[in-house]
Amino acid sequence: ELKVEQNPLFLSMQEGKNYTIYCNYSTTSDRLYWYRQDPGKSLESLFVLLSNGAVKQEGRLMASLDTKARLSTLHITAAVHDLSATYFCAVAPSGYALNFGKGTSLLVTP
Amino acid sequence: DSGVTQTPKHLITATGQRVTLRCSPRSGDLSVYWYQQSLDQGLQFLIQYYNGEERAKGNILERFSAQQFPDLHSELNLSSLELGDSALYFCASSVSQGVHEQYFGPGTRLTVT
Repeated sequence: ELKVEQNPLFLSMQEGKNYTIYCNYSTTSDRLYWYRQDPGKSLESLFVLLSNGAVKQEGRLMASLDTKARLSTLHITAAVHDLSATYFCAVAPSGYALNFGKGTSLLVTP
Repeated sequence: DSGVTQTPKHLITATGQRVTLRCSPRSGDLSVYWYQQSLDQGLQFLIQYYNGEERAKGNILERFSAQQFPDLHSELNLSSLELGDSALYFCASSVSQGVHEQYFGPGTRLTVT
C-alpha cells in the first residue's frame, strides 16, 4: 500500500524563522507535487517536481526532491503570517491519481 | 481562480438521498479527477475520466458513480447517502491523461443529516 507521510503534521512558528516540512513516500515516483490549502478553500498548486534533484523556489518557499531517498522537502524562509495554511505533498506513481499526505498545518505567529 | 468550476458550493441533504455534483474543467483540459476530503480519510482519489472515458478508479464506493459528457463536463452521483459521506468533494482537471499539474475547483461541501 502506498504511503505518503508528512511531518510535522502541525507546526507553529514565529515570523522571521525558517523551517522545513518533510514528505516521505513508500513507492517509486519520479514526480512530486506540493499544494497549499487555506481553511475551507480549494487546493492551490505550489510546485511540481519532475526529476531527482529538482529544486524549485517561489518567494519564501523552496521545494526539493530526492527520488532515491523518496523524500521531498518544503523549506520556509523568514516566515510571514500569510504563509499560514495547510500544505500537502502528493505523488502519482501510477501516472494518474494524486496520493496525498495528511497535510501539515502551519501557523505563523507574530 | 483555477478555471475549474463546481456546482453547487454547498449541499445539505438527508440520509438515503441521492445527489449530483457537477464539474466543468479548465478550457482545453481533457482529464477530470474527483477527490473526497474528509477529516477521517484526508484527501482521497475517487475516479478519473479522460475525454469521456473512465481511466482510473480509486477508493470510490459502489454507491457512487461518475461520468464525463461530450462537452467534457463531469458529474459525480452519490446515492443512498450516509452520514459518513459528508465531506468536501473536489474536482480537478489536467491537460492530458498522464499526471501533469492538476488544477482544483472550489469544491462542493456535502452535509448529510
